Amino acid sequence: AQRVTQPEKLLSVFKGAPVELKCNYSYSGSPELFWYVQYSRQRLQLLLRHISRESIKGFTADLNKGETSFHLKKPFAQEEDSAMYYCAPSGLTGGGNKLTFGTGTQLKVEL
Amino acid sequence: GAGVSQSPSNKVTEKGKDVELRCDPISGHTALYWYRQRLGQGLEFLIYFQGNSAPDKSGLPSDRFSAERTGESVSTLTIQRTQQEDSAVYLCASSRDILSYNEQFFGPGTRLTVL
Repeated sequence: AQRVTQPEKLLSVFKGAPVELKCNYSYSGSPELFWYVQYSRQRLQLLLRHISRESIKGFTADLNKGETSFHLKKPFAQEEDSAMYYCAPSGLTGGGNKLTFGTGTQLKVEL
Repeated sequence: GAGVSQSPSNKVTEKGKDVELRCDPISGHTALYWYRQRLGQGLEFLIYFQGNSAPDKSGLPSDRFSAERTGESVSTLTIQRTQQEDSAVYLCASSRDILSYNEQFFGPGTRLTVL
């Protein structure tokens, strides 16, 4: 079965500390990989996608095909990074651009 | 430009009633998706549309759920004979097309409460 695992429901770090939000997935085929974010009282939005190889708001994500992981990292957390983060491979269940979401990690950056 | 909109934003209904949830995608987006998020759980895929066709209905949880899309635009998700377990936030998203690397743009959601 297709599955996405985000092991931490809540991750609390201090401002300026490094952040790593973990994501592991099981799949058939070659999914595209995304991180979506939901800030307080805002709608769910794209943070970054693997295919773009980009850094957004200081975040990067490395795909490790051997470990089937796509962890999200930022070297220095900022207060405005506090949000709910979802790892989401697409196309896992065959056809279309369906996103399979993890249960999410709530990141709290404390001063 | 306008993003994805959904209506109503909140819906409270009694068990056994039918409800309709509406989604207006971004103009020109051919792909449209429905997800739901039950309390304490992740988002789960329900159905997607390519144009007005729904190639994959595998995520619909039961035959009480149906969806349609017209004019390659508005979509409605209908839940018949609602049950308490249908209580959730229903999210709609659209993307330019169904290619797997395309960003999905989400609406604000409809919070459905079945009493």
